[in-house]
Amino acid sequence: DAKTTQPTSMDCAEGRAANLPCNHSTISGNEYVYWYRQIHSQGPQYIIHGLKNNETNEMASLIITEDRKSSTLILPHATLRDTAVYYCIDQTGANNLFFGTGTRLTVIP
Amino acid sequence: EAGVAQSPRYKIIEKRQSVAFWCNPISGHATLYWYQQILGQGPKLLIQFQNNGVVDDSQLPKDRFSAERLKGVDSTLKIQPAKLEDSAVYLCASSLDRDRGWDYGYTFGSGTRLTVV
Repeated sequence: DAKTTQPTSMDCAEGRAANLPCNHSTISGNEYVYWYRQIHSQGPQYIIHGLKNNETNEMASLIITEDRKSSTLILPHATLRDTAVYYCIDQTGANNLFFGTGTRLTVIP
Repeated sequence: EAGVAQSPRYKIIEKRQSVAFWCNPISGHATLYWYQQILGQGPKLLIQFQNNGVVDDSQLPKDRFSAERLKGVDSTLKIQPAKLEDSAVYLCASSLDRDRGWDYGYTFGSGTRLTVV
């Protein structure tokens, strides 16, 4: 079973920042937080991951709380193409990805 | 680089028939995964290969599902006989190395949508 909890759905206005929260209260010290997204009729796509520090790449930013029990994925300027299901996953290096049901983000024009 | 290739894209079969799905991972990726995604749910791992060896098949319904990766590259997932509840999208993913999948993430194919009628 997935060890993370996320809101079922969220809306975001086009051009605004989308902030997707995730709780991972049982995360252990060596587990990374991963974010993937799945656009309709496609396979999941890797977005970003982090351990302790905040991370940023060309797609998004990841903010991890100091106690590591929650994180927020930030899409700085959401576009219609960002409409997708976003999965937050905690994972050890050699383990598999356990997907929950994710957050369905809808970007509204 | 080319992505993870899967075929067929869609398949419709009657219950009790057999079906096979094919996956070609990214070149050089040692680890290959098969996931099952039922409508409205997140993907669920069925089996994980490291090169041509099975690492984890604990979630694979072995009475009807089988998978192989004979030469450590392509992989085939088979269902025989199919049941109605097997209707799902079957996703293949690969990563550079089992112990470094966290470093690079997994790359997924677009999946095969199976409908059992």
